[in-house]
Amino acid sequence: QKEVEQNSGPLSVPEGAIASLNCTYSDRVSQSFFWYRQYSGKSPELIMSIYSNGDKEDGRFTAQLNKASQYVSLLIRDSQPSDSATYLCAVNRDSNGGFKTIFGAGTRLFVKA
Amino acid sequence: KAGVTQTPRYLIKTRGQQVTLSCSPISGHRSVSWYQQTPGQGLQFLFEYFSETQRNKGNFPGRFSGRQFSNSRSEMNVSTLELGDSALYLCASSFRGNTEAFFGQGTRLTVV
Repeated sequence: QKEVEQNSGPLSVPEGAIASLNCTYSDRVSQSFFWYRQYSGKSPELIMSIYSNGDKEDGRFTAQLNKASQYVSLLIRDSQPSDSATYLCAVNRDSNGGFKTIFGAGTRLFVKA
Repeated sequence: KAGVTQTPRYLIKTRGQQVTLSCSPISGHRSVSWYQQTPGQGLQFLFEYFSETQRNKGNFPGRFSGRQFSNSRSEMNVSTLELGDSALYLCASSFRGNTEAFFGQGTRLTVV
């Protein structure tokens, strides 16, 4: 079982729709959770961070965390063609006195104009 | 405020050679993590440094090493390069290691 699992997609949604991206993680002691967006040929760009159960909204983006279910999601409202990218879920946990961030393989999102 | 800076952006090396990559974190960030990204394996954690100490290491052979300086700048070194080491190498800096991390533009290494 991978530490962080995402559906690889591609997920295709029409412009203006809601895109829903999901992620599960295996280590219950994970404490910090992040969503990154990566365009082809570019480095990952941080979109959202979430540290406690519930929802966190930032503009068109909403991150949801459920630690009991070990589940993180990202909703993108009013999707735009410019949102077409790979979305990476990242999970951070204590390890050896420091921290370790593990990334999922990413979900490719296509927003059709 | 300046972002994370990685140098060089591109490198072509021959099998058996060694390479050193550099990462300058965001000012005030003391944690630097390194990742290898390939199409087949995604983003794989290499190691994390904080205040000049390696706190964590991923599942990579000993040919991969790194260090961090007192100004938080970090370098990673790969010795005896293999064709499979061709990848995008990314560093990310954060304040403590469990807070938001920001990536540099990466160094694309090609081993021929």
